[in-house]
Amino acid sequence: TQLLEQSPQFLSIQEGENLTVYCNSSSVFSSLQWYRQEPGEGPVLLVTVVTGGEVKKLKRLTFQFGDARKDSSLHITAAQPGDTGLYLCRMNRDDKIIFGKGTRLHILP
Amino acid sequence: DAGVIQSPRHEVTEMGQEVTLRCKPISGHNSLFWYRQTMMRGLELLIYFNNNVPIDDSGMPEDRFSAKMPNASFSTLKIQPSEPRDSAVYFCASRTTGDSNQPQHFGDGTRLSIL
Repeated sequence: TQLLEQSPQFLSIQEGENLTVYCNSSSVFSSLQWYRQEPGEGPVLLVTVVTGGEVKKLKRLTFQFGDARKDSSLHITAAQPGDTGLYLCRMNRDDKIIFGKGTRLHILP
Repeated sequence: DAGVIQSPRHEVTEMGQEVTLRCKPISGHNSLFWYRQTMMRGLELLIYFNNNVPIDDSGMPEDRFSAKMPNASFSTLKIQPSEPRDSAVYFCASRTTGDSNQPQHFGDGTRLSIL
């Protein structure tokens, strides 16, 4: 059973379009982090969300933590080829570190 | 500033051989993590250390896997004997101890292929 479900698994869209990817769990988590991983490299932290309903913006990226702290979304506005990569969500629960399998995003120029 | 350094970057070996992966964490970071990443299973935590002491090794798949951290600046992950199903990218990450919301800094990984 996957504790963290990420959707979609794969997404390929044209440059300039908007997109949203999701991270869902049946369990409440104390905090959630989003990472981006580029080919041949390790994941790099984008943001940490802690409070239910919290919204954080990072340039064209908007992160939202669900009110019940069971889900999160990442919205990208006007996607660019540099946004291509694997987007991973990570939760902390009972001192356990759990990563989702990720959404593999490809932005076509 | 140097990030987390892993070696080797790539390793190809025959099944049954011993494999040793190495990691140098960021200076001053007290927590070190070993992960394995595959397409099927994603990124899985194998083991982590706080102040050189193993805290949670419940992710280590079996007795063929072992990890050590003899000092604050070096850790190894060893597989003996290796099997084809161990083929994956292995990542090491480090973080300051304490707040689990502090970012983990990942190395660039070791791509391991067991033939």
